[in-house]
Amino acid sequence: QQQVKQSPQSLIVQKGGISIINCAYENTAFDYFPWYQQFPGKGPALLIAIRPDVSEKKEGRFTISFNKSAKQFSLHIMDSQPGDSATYFCAASKETGANNLFFGTGTRLTVIP
Amino acid sequence: GAGVSQSPRYKVAKRGQDVALRCDPISGHVSLFWYQQALGQGPEFLTYFQNEAQLDKSGLPSDRFFAERPEGSVSTLKIQRTQQEDSAVYLCASSSRTGEKYFGPGTRLTVT
Repeated sequence: QQQVKQSPQSLIVQKGGISIINCAYENTAFDYFPWYQQFPGKGPALLIAIRPDVSEKKEGRFTISFNKSAKQFSLHIMDSQPGDSATYFCAASKETGANNLFFGTGTRLTVIP
Repeated sequence: GAGVSQSPRYKVAKRGQDVALRCDPISGHVSLFWYQQALGQGPEFLTYFQNEAQLDKSGLPSDRFFAERPEGSVSTLKIQRTQQEDSAVYLCASSSRTGEKYFGPGTRLTVT
């Protein structure tokens, strides 16, 4: 049973465009929602994270939008660059630290120059 | 070191062989996690340690999988009598008690 559902599976965006990746969850006990970026041959690296007490969090070109009532959250990458080409995973857990992360299935982003 | 390290980075095993995968977490991190990442999929939880105590092993797929962290630092994931379905990347992550998880580069296991 997939605890976190992610779409699309793959995404191709022109340089300078906006990349949008969506995730949905079922478990209302989740209260920590990170996004990870993974390059080939590397482990996932934390990109940005949000807690449900806010509806949006922005860090540079990366923004998380969070809709608690719909149990959905999304990652927006503004002014997408070829260097952003990677696989992106959303995840959810009960807080950070000691609790297990449940990951989505990943979105392979390709930014075309 | 600055980050989580794992060794070996690549391991090829013949079906039926035993393998041992090592994780060196960030110094001082209390929590250590093992995840399995199949090709084209997200990481899936295997097991969790807090210091030397294994508090959750609910994700281990069979009794062929065993993990330990005897001194609360380095951890080893052992897979006995490897099968082809064990082929995956095995990721280790560590964190402070309340902090973010930091992942290592993973060990790619191929069972032939």
